Amino acid sequence: DTEVTQTPKHLVMGMTNKKSLKCEQHMGHRAMYWYKQKAKKPPELMFVYSYEKLSINESVPSRFSPECPNSSLLNLHLHALQPEDSALYLCASSRDYYSNQPQHFGDGTRLSIL
Amino acid sequence: QQQVKQSPQSLIVQKGGISIINCAYENTAFDYFPWYQQFPGKGPALLIAIRPDVSEKKEGRFTISFNKSAKQFSLHIMDSQPGDSATYFCAASKNFGNEKLTFGTGTRLTIIP
Repeated sequence: DTEVTQTPKHLVMGMTNKKSLKCEQHMGHRAMYWYKQKAKKPPELMFVYSYEKLSINESVPSRFSPECPNSSLLNLHLHALQPEDSALYLCASSRDYYSNQPQHFGDGTRLSIL
Repeated sequence: QQQVKQSPQSLIVQKGGISIINCAYENTAFDYFPWYQQFPGKGPALLIAIRPDVSEKKEGRFTISFNKSAKQFSLHIMDSQPGDSATYFCAASKNFGNEKLTFGTGTRLTIIP
């Protein structure tokens, strides 16, 4: 079982909907990440939170809005998404961003935009 | 310069054989090279990682070989098993893994009986 839990596992939404993806870890990690993964492609980094502060935004469109309410929880708020945003959204965590610690991935939320 | 090139795109190996996946990079600032394994419907999981101060690292049936002068590294899976069938991603990072991972394009490995 993965130690990074993502909910929901699947999400179908219309282009005008607002929804949120949730990620939780209880390993005491202080860095959390959002990745987007298209089919048969590697993960692409979207955001990095380090000690609950946004430290990296890889020029992600504003229709994706991350939030880190506490050190264990990471949300990704979605609004007015486009069909090309359909993908697997992966959350990951590591002990912190500034040490050589491996990233632990969740199993992702498969998002489909109608 | 930030790219990591991975080959082959797909690989079929008989059970018990050796699976070999290769990666090459250009950026000499990369100094941390992990391999991730991803099963369908699952997130990537770290398999093994190497730093350029060693030429080889072995963990069980999995070995990373690293050639610093050629800027290449490879994953060898000995005695390949059907349970090894997955997609494998190499990756690279700067500053001993303290910066973002640059992933290779992935290799879909299938082990046949």
